[in-house]
Amino acid sequence: DVKVTQSSRYLVKRTGEKVFLECVQDMDHENMFWYRQDPGLGLRLIYFSYDVKMKEKGDIPEGYSVSREKKERFSLILESASTNQTSMYLCASSPPTGWSDTQYFGPGTRLTVL
Amino acid sequence: AQSVSQHNHHVILSEAASLELGCNYSYGGTVNLFWYVQYPGQHLQLLLKYFSGDPLVKGIKGFEAEFIKSKFSFNLRKPSVQWSDTAEYFCAVNEGRDDKIIFGKGTRLHILP
Repeated sequence: DVKVTQSSRYLVKRTGEKVFLECVQDMDHENMFWYRQDPGLGLRLIYFSYDVKMKEKGDIPEGYSVSREKKERFSLILESASTNQTSMYLCASSPPTGWSDTQYFGPGTRLTVL
Repeated sequence: AQSVSQHNHHVILSEAASLELGCNYSYGGTVNLFWYVQYPGQHLQLLLKYFSGDPLVKGIKGFEAEFIKSKFSFNLRKPSVQWSDTAEYFCAVNEGRDDKIIFGKGTRLHILP
């Protein structure tokens, strides 16, 4: 059974803190993604990665960075958390286009920045 | 840039009613189309997808969607909804040569028992 796990389900941080969100997949997928999900806005892509050490900006990368040192792990970093980054963060992975485009999602991390 | 529009943000139906959720996309080339569903408290998961072939696609739990290329649409349908269909539904599009998927803003479906 495919599995994407995220390090925390709920996280509370203070403004200005550096925040790390971790995502691990056990399906040997090349592609990994970070989204944020906000009511009425749907899912918005923050960053994605096609391979180890490869990263591409999504639609809303400002205030975020990512790290992919190993194929199974994709980290999202908030360098200096702000209240407008309070949101649900979803990680996903997928094989490369050509034999399956389905994305597999983790359970999400609900981040609150005070 | 590619965009995806879901016409209804919130839909309320009674059990056994028929459902149709609208989805339109902007890209004119080859596309892959998806509907994802998020049940309360659960992961986002794939409901159905279209890559090629028969434009009428059947998914899990009695859902189906029809790809109409001339209308740039991929509407989701179910003939008779159940209370357990209460969830948020997302339409998504992938351009076929790009792994990035663009999601719509979602439709919250609430089924009255």
